[in-house]
Amino acid sequence: DAKTTQPPSMDCAEGRAANLPCNHSTISGNEYVYWYRQIHSQGPQYIIHGLKNNETNEMASLIITEDRKSSTLILPHATLRDTAVYYCIVRGAPSNTGNQFYFGTGTSLTVIP
Amino acid sequence: GAGVSQSPRYKVAKRGQDVALRCDPISGHVSLFWYQQALGQGPEFLTYFQNEAQLDKSGLPSDRFFAERPEGSVSTLKIQRTQQEDSAVYLCASSLRLAGGVGEQFFGPGTRLTVL
Repeated sequence: DAKTTQPPSMDCAEGRAANLPCNHSTISGNEYVYWYRQIHSQGPQYIIHGLKNNETNEMASLIITEDRKSSTLILPHATLRDTAVYYCIVRGAPSNTGNQFYFGTGTSLTVIP
Repeated sequence: GAGVSQSPRYKVAKRGQDVALRCDPISGHVSLFWYQQALGQGPEFLTYFQNEAQLDKSGLPSDRFFAERPEGSVSTLKIQRTQQEDSAVYLCASSLRLAGGVGEQFFGPGTRLTVL
């Protein structure tokens, strides 16, 4: 699975959009981009995933560049409860082996009142 | 509560003791994963079950680590002769789809193991 690169930390003002970047320059054609977040002392929580097209759900939007070498997770109106570590993960098609997630160290997002 | 549950939430062990960590996945979920998360790091894969079959154990750090899921539901991660470097949060995740599928894995809250 492709390695991802994320900034170690970011701040965002409450109520503003939080834009979290991720580089995955070695991604291959059948690999998906996933985003998870982990609030302190909790297990990771799924946010969104995508292959080529931009995706939106009730939590966030995922923007994937046309060459798929980078992506951005957008939290449209950040709240204090969005303070967490955000992980960008690239994962290939599921198989009996090698289907685990490689989390890396993520981006620690702090939402400031 | 229909989520993944883990017990105990906290475990303190003396070096050399054996420990057993339990995971109750979401009912009906075929895939089950164990991860280890050291302080300040992201989770790292340990092992994967498809129903009762352990299909991937490539992440288990040593032969002191053993996992089972005998009836394809509850899973137990056992660590024998614990060492201080085993101190970490152990996370369990489950998924409805085979091999985790394309979609989310649901994580439990984790068990924090401290080895003294």
